[in-house]
Amino acid sequence: DAEITQSPRHKITETGRQVTLACHQTWNHNNMFWYRQDLGHGLRLIHYSYGVQDTNKGEVSDGYSVSRSNTEDLPLTLESAASSQTSVYFCASSGGGPNQPQHFGDGTRLSIL
Amino acid sequence: DQQVKQNSPSLSVQEGRISILNCDYTNSMFDYFLWYKKYPAEGPTFLISISSIKDKNEDGRFTVFLNKSAKHLSLHIVPSQPGDSAVYFCAASPIQGAQKLVFGQGTRLTINP
Repeated sequence: DAEITQSPRHKITETGRQVTLACHQTWNHNNMFWYRQDLGHGLRLIHYSYGVQDTNKGEVSDGYSVSRSNTEDLPLTLESAASSQTSVYFCASSGGGPNQPQHFGDGTRLSIL
Repeated sequence: DQQVKQNSPSLSVQEGRISILNCDYTNSMFDYFLWYKKYPAEGPTFLISISSIKDKNEDGRFTVFLNKSAKHLSLHIVPSQPGDSAVYFCAASPIQGAQKLVFGQGTRLTINP
């Protein structure tokens, strides 16, 4: 079965460190997204990509970057981790027509001390 | 500025009764609306959607209603079952399609036996 996997599931790191969260999908979807979930905010869009070599900023992109070198992967990098980036991060993918629902991974819980 | 709002953080319903979850939005450019269900330690899973050209969409026990003039949508679950206990997020997409989702804060639904 096609799936979308995130790794690691949990990570603790220190402020100032660079952190990369992995997202891999086997749906062969063109569209991939990164969200963060915080209490009182729901999920907020960080970055998204509509295909290889395409990346776009979302609502809360400051301090984050992504790259899309193939269809399957969209890693999310925190250039210099800050305590405000402690959150649960979700990756999603979608394909086909414009109203295809997004399929989510199970999330990465990131704690920055 | 929260463009999609779920004003009830929690809702408790008796098993077998109807659950009604509400969502309001402010952006008249939203064209497509979705409901996602989320269990702890898992990613959101797509439940049901509705296009702005419709006012109702049904899928088994789940019905979504859209009132464009009031900028309001609701999710009805009939009958409610214990497995429906989860956090429910409504999401909206701009006129270009379902690719840039804006989420509400979520409502935790508890179904009591």
